[in-house]
Amino acid sequence: DIQMTQSPSSLSASVGDRVTITCRASQSISKYLNWYQQKPGKAPKLLIYAASNLQTGVPSRFSGSGSGTEFTLTITNLQREDFAIYYCQQSYSTPLTFGGGTKVEIK
Amino acid sequence: EVQLVQSGAEVKKPGESLRISCKGSGYSFTTSSISWVRQMPGKGLEWMGRIDPRDSYTIYSPSFQGHVTISADKSVSTTYLQWSSLKASDTAMYYCARDVLLAPDSWFDPWGQGTLVTVSS
Repeated sequence: DIQMTQSPSSLSASVGDRVTITCRASQSISKYLNWYQQKPGKAPKLLIYAASNLQTGVPSRFSGSGSGTEFTLTITNLQREDFAIYYCQQSYSTPLTFGGGTKVEIK
Repeated sequence: EVQLVQSGAEVKKPGESLRISCKGSGYSFTTSSISWVRQMPGKGLEWMGRIDPRDSYTIYSPSFQGHVTISADKSVSTTYLQWSSLKASDTAMYYCARDVLLAPDSWFDPWGQGTLVTVSS
């Protein structure tokens, strides 16, 4: 199985900050990496697919980059509604696997 | 609007059987696979397996193979997740999600609202 490791596991930030979350794969997964946002009591929501493609309707302050084994999700000008848990997920091979999540909290 | 609507919360006793459902609408049901994802209380996301509704071809995560059964009925645009004998450790939120396939890549969009399964004596 491909292991996905996110860092940090949690962070505190203020409205307006720039936030970067890293996701590392245990082997190369090319660009087969997706990012999801999950708010308390809600289902996850797709933000970024194929490493860097913004899902329709997602604000442009979200961006993704990377390939191979290292990927980043960047949120610029953090908004109050962005406080949530973020998960990466590899779609390179089954079993599909998720990172452990990064909780973005209000400072 | 593409939508997945899941069945309601369940409370069961250990050893009981259970089937939960996920109904798709707003798209041609047989054109996309459906995955099931587990989220245990306070924990992260775990992929359980996916089914292709066209032919019911199913692939399971090794972690869940033999513990659950995924099935589909394309006549009612619905996929199912079932257990024959529940354990307390099956207590979790279960999500279905549509697999958007752009070969060889894929991603989950949208997700169902989740079904909370509680197993307790």
